[in-house]
Amino acid sequence: AQSVAQPEDQVNVAEGNPLTVKCTYSVSGNPYLFWYVQYPNRGLQFLLKYITGDNLVKGSYGFEAEFNKSQTSFHLKKPSALVSDSALYFCAVRDPPGTGGGNKLTFGTGTQLKVEL
Amino acid sequence: DARVTQTPRHKVTEMGQEVTMRCQPILGHNTVFWYRQTMMQGLELLAYFRNRAPLDDSGMPKDRFSAEMPDATLATLKIQPSEPRDSAVYFCASGLRGETQYFGPGTRLLVL
Repeated sequence: AQSVAQPEDQVNVAEGNPLTVKCTYSVSGNPYLFWYVQYPNRGLQFLLKYITGDNLVKGSYGFEAEFNKSQTSFHLKKPSALVSDSALYFCAVRDPPGTGGGNKLTFGTGTQLKVEL
Repeated sequence: DARVTQTPRHKVTEMGQEVTMRCQPILGHNTVFWYRQTMMQGLELLAYFRNRAPLDDSGMPKDRFSAEMPDATLATLKIQPSEPRDSAVYFCASGLRGETQYFGPGTRLLVL
């Protein structure tokens, strides 16, 4: 069964510094990987996804993520954090088509990002 | 700007009452998902549909919860009877061909 782990409940970073939110996954075959962000009292917003191709994926709001197959990781990064990036970030994985996982996404437990002045 | 809509946004009810939550997926999307989010359990998948047919509802308490898609523009999630432990935020999401899911704003349910 597919799974994702977000090892950090919270990440604190100063505005202007680079940020990394970690995610590792376990899935049969080649994974489909996603990052979502949730602002307070809002639904989840799609940031970016990896299905195939370049290991560095660029997404919304200046975020990017690096797929590392050998380390089974998909860490979210941004070169320069903003206070407005403070939110809850979710990593998610689904099995590729034909492997029996269906369309279901399995979400991590979330990482609270706090960007301070 | 296409988006998933959900009604009501907030619901306060008493234990034992029926609760119905509605979702309008993005036009043209063929998969619809219902999630529940709580502090203790995080984000849980309750059920999902493809082309209006239920594919998986294993995450849903069968005795009190039911999910349907009467047509391609409406998905419903009902709880009858509701209990305090059902208090949560319920999200609907839709997608096309099972890839990216787009979430609605959620229904915040409080059962007293």
